Amino acid sequence: QAVVTQEPSLTVSPGGTVTLTCGSSAGDVTSGQDPYWYQQRPGQAPKTLIYATSNRHSWTPARVSGSLLGGKAALTLSGAQPEDEADYYCLLLFDGAWVFGGGTKLTVL
Amino acid sequence: EVQLMESGGGLVQPGGSLRLSCAASGFSFSSYWMTWVRQTPGKGLYWVANIDQDGNERYYGDSVKGRFTISRDNAKRSLYLQMNSLRTEDTGVYFCTGGGYNKYWGQGTLVTVSS
Repeated sequence: QAVVTQEPSLTVSPGGTVTLTCGSSAGDVTSGQDPYWYQQRPGQAPKTLIYATSNRHSWTPARVSGSLLGGKAALTLSGAQPEDEADYYCLLLFDGAWVFGGGTKLTVL
Repeated sequence: EVQLMESGGGLVQPGGSLRLSCAASGFSFSSYWMTWVRQTPGKGLYWVANIDQDGNERYYGDSVKGRFTISRDNAKRSLYLQMNSLRTEDTGVYFCTGGGYNKYWGQGTLVTVSS
């Protein structure tokens, strides 16, 4: 089964921009793998931010965007806010199997 | 208001069984695939199983295949996870999620497998 990799931790300054990536041991990530992105704050359930590479749910801020970048899925947060400090997980689909990345701990500092 | 509420978690010995439930309200439950996801304490997320709208298609993560069974009752708006032959590594918080593109998540129920 493929392994999905994310940066273990990243730091962004308030108001800054940061890009989180999601790679696959099976090769380039494609739109066919329907990349998802989730945000999880301490003590809370995950919240789905992005589905199918770049689609936002109604609660996802416009400053949060998803894309494919250099063979990986990417989540870009612009104008970072204190409330963006959280763990972020990506998910890729492999022939019906879901595989989560290990998560990125984002610090806003 | 949309709600997914898990129940049924608890402490169980290795080799034991447990049945989790997820009660849905506020959205058209019968129209969507539903999924169970596990989170190990202090660690990441793991996909456990998902089921289609009618219960005809079911898929499982490799580590639970043959031991866990996902099911649903659309009349009761409920999702279930029957967990047998539990192992210590099954310990974690179990979330149900669904509603189209994982729109909705419950708050989770804690399962502890320990002697």
